Amino acid sequence: SSELTQDPAVSVALGQTVRITCQGDSLRSYYASWYQQKPGQAPVLVFFGRDNRPSGIPERFSGSKSENIASLTITRTQAEDEADYFCASRDSSGFQLLFGGGTKLTVL
Amino acid sequence: QVQLVESGGGVVQPGTSLRLSCAGSGFTFDSYGMHWVRQAPGKGLEWVALIWYDGSNIHYADSVKGRFTISRDNSKKTLYLQMNSLRVEDTAVYYCAKDHYGTHSEAFDFWGQGTMVTVSS
Repeated sequence: SSELTQDPAVSVALGQTVRITCQGDSLRSYYASWYQQKPGQAPVLVFFGRDNRPSGIPERFSGSKSENIASLTITRTQAEDEADYFCASRDSSGFQLLFGGGTKLTVL
Repeated sequence: QVQLVESGGGVVQPGTSLRLSCAGSGFTFDSYGMHWVRQAPGKGLEWVALIWYDGSNIHYADSVKGRFTISRDNSKKTLYLQMNSLRVEDTAVYYCAKDHYGTHSEAFDFWGQGTMVTVSS
């Protein structure tokens, strides 16, 4: 089976740009999706596929993929963006889903 | 608006069974794939199982294969997770999630609030 690897923690200054990455062999074949989770709440989908942002998600959230690395970029980071971020994709078979271990984003 | 409401969680002993339910509303339930995802206390997300819009395709994480069964009743707009032979390591909040598509993808566009399952002797 495959794995998705994320940095455990990332920090960013208020108003600056931050990139959160997700690495895994299955990303060479499949896109990643990104979820934001705040304490005590269910995850929220913030970006998926090649270029899809769900309704209600600010345009400052964007995603990209290159080779086996997917990235979530947040521009003009706000205090309310402080949360855990998880990437998800499929394993090499395409029939099992995987989550990365999560990245805790701190806004300074 | 889309709503997913889980129920059925609780405290059980190892080796016993539990059935979770997830009632969907605000969308065409029988048109979308559905998933169960769990999160152990203080840990990350773990995908558990998926089922296509019509129940024709089902897949499980290796950690639950042979013990858990996902199913759906489209007439009742309800998703189920039958959990047998429960282990301490199955302790988690269990979320149901709607897929963005009718089959399956990595895009879970709506989530329930979760139901807690505690397996302890």
